[in-house]
Amino acid sequence: GENVEQHPSTLSVQEGDSAVIKCTYSDSASNYFPWYKQELGKRPQLIIDIRSNVGEKKDQRIAVTLNKTAKHFSLHITETQPEDSAVYFCAAPGGGMDSSYKLIFGSGTRLLVRP
Amino acid sequence: DGGITQSPKYLFRKEGQNVTLSCEQNLNHDAMYWYRQDPGQGLRLIYYSQIVNDFQKGDIAEGYSVSREKKESFPLTVTSAQKNPTAFYLCASSPGGQLQETQYFGPGTRLLVL
Repeated sequence: GENVEQHPSTLSVQEGDSAVIKCTYSDSASNYFPWYKQELGKRPQLIIDIRSNVGEKKDQRIAVTLNKTAKHFSLHITETQPEDSAVYFCAAPGGGMDSSYKLIFGSGTRLLVRP
Repeated sequence: DGGITQSPKYLFRKEGQNVTLSCEQNLNHDAMYWYRQDPGQGLRLIYYSQIVNDFQKGDIAEGYSVSREKKESFPLTVTSAQKNPTAFYLCASSPGGQLQETQYFGPGTRLLVL
């Protein structure tokens, strides 16, 4: 089955700096990679996703890059703001014919943006 | 994600008691999922259902049961066999029309053991 590793587990940056979170996956058949943001006590919310037919996708201050050869994808947040402080999760499909509807989540990165 | 509701927001369980968590969606999604989240950790899949009257075990199904009698509803029962049920439980749904698609989460139920 799929295995998703996420790093770092915690990340502290100064407001205005960039933040990068990286995930690696094991199943080469995976072709959908979402990123979720979870504020304390709240539900995870999709912030951006990428499919394997593109290498990069941007949405304002957020971007995701995908390297299928190396089996890793990264979340980039530029010009960070205090409201970006949250836990971020990456995910990849579960792998296998019966598991393709599943998402396997990384262990999460706690981002703290210092004012 | 406003179309997925979970109740109650907080639930207390006594020893040996079964409790049921509700999850309802009005998004006309075929697929629904239950995840468990422990403090400071990621999401682990308990059960999922791709279509009405069908469901599959996830990675940590022991001590849990589900039913999918209606498209809109996917209740989760935490049985007395689940010895460490304290966690944040999240329900999610996805359209179900294609593989590898976005999941949308409900607000969660926090389960505590008395």
